[in-house]
Amino acid sequence: GQNIDQPTEMTATEGAIVQINCTYQTSGFNGLFWYQQHAGEAPTFLSYNVLDGLEEKGRFSSFLSRSKGYSYLLLKELQMKDSASYLCAACHASGGSYIPTFGRGTSLIVHP
Amino acid sequence: DGGITQSPKYLFRKEGQNVTLSCEQNLNHDAMYWYRQDPGQGLRLIYYSQIVNDFQKGDIAEGYSVSREKKESFPLTVTSAQKNPTAFYLCASSPQTGGKNTEAFFGQGTRLTVV
Repeated sequence: GQNIDQPTEMTATEGAIVQINCTYQTSGFNGLFWYQQHAGEAPTFLSYNVLDGLEEKGRFSSFLSRSKGYSYLLLKELQMKDSASYLCAACHASGGSYIPTFGRGTSLIVHP
Repeated sequence: DGGITQSPKYLFRKEGQNVTLSCEQNLNHDAMYWYRQDPGQGLRLIYYSQIVNDFQKGDIAEGYSVSREKKESFPLTVTSAQKNPTAFYLCASSPQTGGKNTEAFFGQGTRLTVV
């Protein structure tokens, strides 16, 4: 089966840096996605990692270690609008299909 | 503009009634998915379809049914057998050509309330 684990909630201060961790167990691994979701809205794509290492995109970076089944999302220069839920999703291949399995999401609260 | 459309955004139904949620995409994606999200929870997979006229059960398929008669459309029916249908339902599609092209593109969701 597939198992994704991430913290339920985190808080941080505007302007600071926060790291959201995700561990996963999956067979047929085909990459790790991070999505941002504001309350009542659809998730939006943030990053994708399939090889080990760090991917940087502006204020957001994502890291993957396949041997450890571990990823993190790093948010720099936090802004109030970054308050949202961050979903980790491990994609696995099964019978010719690619299926993303999502974690419970980490609710990030950014305060002044 | 290309995208994925869910309708309606809010839906109210009486207990015991079946209800169908619409999902349409014009992205020419092969794969489509239905997820359910409860408060404070992640997304749980209900059904997915990789190709027209074929679909597979996800982790929580009981009480739900789907069809995939056209590439663009993947409607979800919530039947009276679903014990706790009140939730936020998200439809997604994906190119399914591997790697980064397995990214899921989401509709805006339908919030179903059963009273």
